[in-house]
Amino acid sequence: ILNVEQSPQSLHVQEGDSTNFTCSFPSSNFYALHWYRWETAKSPEALFVMTLNGDEKKKGRISATLNTKEGYSYLYIKGSQPEDSATYLCAPFRINKLIFGTGTLLAVQP
Amino acid sequence: GAVVSQHPSRVICKSGTSVKIECRSLDFQATTMFWYRQFPKQSLMLMATSNEGSKATYEQGVEKDKFLINHASLTLSTLTVTSAHPEDSSFYICSASRDKANYGYTFGSGTRLTVV
Repeated sequence: ILNVEQSPQSLHVQEGDSTNFTCSFPSSNFYALHWYRWETAKSPEALFVMTLNGDEKKKGRISATLNTKEGYSYLYIKGSQPEDSATYLCAPFRINKLIFGTGTLLAVQP
Repeated sequence: GAVVSQHPSRVICKSGTSVKIECRSLDFQATTMFWYRQFPKQSLMLMATSNEGSKATYEQGVEKDKFLINHASLTLSTLTVTSAHPEDSSFYICSASRDKANYGYTFGSGTRLTVV
């Protein structure tokens, strides 16, 4: 069973704060890593698909980095807004399927 | 963008009955769809991979006779929970991909099943 860990489990920040969270996964046989944002009562939304060691991707105020050799990825949110409140899931892609972590629940207070 | 529609969003059924959950890809064809289950405070766990026109592939520990999957067309996959019991109460969600390498997977909105 692939062990995917995300930390912290939950995070409360004030509007305007920048924040980051971590996804750890086994580095062997790496193929790709997905990040998803899951707002309450909505569908998970794909943020990034990352494949190369050292990859850095950005979407607005959200960015992510990838280290496949040591098996981790960071997700950064600059200047958090209340609409960023959601659960952020990472999922390594292995043997044609995604293996999800338990997610980081972010709450941004106005 | 790609959209996957999942119905129903919420269902309550009596123990022993069967429940069918549908997932439709609205604007793309999905040769493969995935079905996940999530118990409280746990991660999304893959149950099975649904392949259009062929048998689904089930993950270890998932009973194929209990969770019937049908993928009869390129836009529709169904999951039927047969003879449901309270322990089957969970959140079920499907996903499909039009271009997973670049855009990842598109998810349905999920179904909350409660068996009483």
